[in-house]
Amino acid sequence: DQQVKQNSPSLSVQEGRISILNCDYTNSMFDYFLWYKKYPAEGPTFLISISSIKDKNEDGRFTVFLNKSAKHLSLHIVPSQPGDSAVYFCAASRPTGNQFYFGTGTSLTVIP
Amino acid sequence: SAVISQKPSRDICQRGTSLTIQCQVDSQVTMMFWYRQQPGQSLTLIATANQGSEATYESGFVIDKFPISRPNLTFSTLTVSNMSPEDSSIYLCSAAQGIDTEAFFGQGTRLTVV
Repeated sequence: DQQVKQNSPSLSVQEGRISILNCDYTNSMFDYFLWYKKYPAEGPTFLISISSIKDKNEDGRFTVFLNKSAKHLSLHIVPSQPGDSAVYFCAASRPTGNQFYFGTGTSLTVIP
Repeated sequence: SAVISQKPSRDICQRGTSLTIQCQVDSQVTMMFWYRQQPGQSLTLIATANQGSEATYESGFVIDKFPISRPNLTFSTLTVSNMSPEDSSIYLCSAAQGIDTEAFFGQGTRLTVV
């Protein structure tokens, strides 16, 4: 049962434009959400997070938006750079919780 | 942040054998986890490694197949026992300081069972 879903397995964007990666979840108990970036042969690295008490969190070129009623979050990268090319995972956790549930990932390619 | 060293980074093993993966964190952490990423799939939590007590396993994973140790707040091991080709995967160690904090990952162990 996949509680966190990323329905787009891949995305291509021109350098300098906006990349929008989407994530949906089914468990209304999730209250903390994260985005990770993963390069081949490396472990995931943390990018940005958001708590359910907020609907937006920004860190430099990266902004995460949370729509609790729709159980949807998105990651915006502006402007996109070739070095952003990687697989992006969204993850969620519950208040009790010590574990993270991951989506299946979206492979982002930024074209120079 | 925490730096996590995981070894081996990759291995090719014969079916029926066992492999122990080590995970070392450069600082004391509250929580340590083991994940698996099978080809083309997401990261799946195997278990939470509890310091000084038995690990907490997720549905579908059992201690006999994936014994885990966590002798202190900076170190954990995962053993993949009696391996079969279906165990070929990337195994990732993760650590977090607490609830509602980000988790950090090791670079992963790419296991191939032949």
